[in-house]
Amino acid sequence: AAGVIQSPRHLIKEKRETATLKCYPIPRHDTVYWYQQGPGQDPQFLISFYEKMQSDKGSIPDRFSAQQFSDYHSELNMSSLELGDSALYFCASSVAGDSGYEQYFGPGTRLTVT
Amino acid sequence: GQQLNQSPQSMFIQEGEDVSMNCTSSSIFNTWLWYKQDPGEGPVLLIALYKAGELTSNGRLTAQFGITRKDSFLNISASIPSDVGIYFCAGQDSTNQFYFGTGTSLTVIP
Repeated sequence: AAGVIQSPRHLIKEKRETATLKCYPIPRHDTVYWYQQGPGQDPQFLISFYEKMQSDKGSIPDRFSAQQFSDYHSELNMSSLELGDSALYFCASSVAGDSGYEQYFGPGTRLTVT
Repeated sequence: GQQLNQSPQSMFIQEGEDVSMNCTSSSIFNTWLWYKQDPGEGPVLLIALYKAGELTSNGRLTAQFGITRKDSFLNISASIPSDVGIYFCAGQDSTNQFYFGTGTSLTVIP
């Protein structure tokens, strides 16, 4: 079965640079979520999109922005990178089912800021 | 944001033993999900629960949605070495936002 695709899988950037992470949801999934996970931490919700519109906002810094495109893929844009932005970034997708929502996660992008 | 209390934080068990972990919340959730995460990988959905009192199994895994809708537990029976990993609960509230538990690190000793 098709899964969530994220690219790149690994990214190394320097402080103050910008980064763009991409997420391709499972086909026919209409909702995309972005999470940040630091070492030994649980995933922290950043932002979500439903049908290309922002639906919820979590602890996303103002330096970050995201959008969902007409083909439902999503991009997380990160500017003025800081050392503390080093983390695993996960995208998850879901679609409303008969009972509720099930979130399926991608393999993640490991961002290292040096 | 909301934080789910997940316990225990870590477990060291012998192969073949049963495992139980739980999550509690201060507010009501409409959905409970249980995930397993291997190092450097994305969380993999194990079980989804949608109704209070619901008991669902997936192989050796069994999870329940608490009657109060503020808690859930996950049981793993007859543990095997490949059960090693970090298990997360996640709850979805009435605004459809998901919150994650703090994780339970499971180590299975052969």
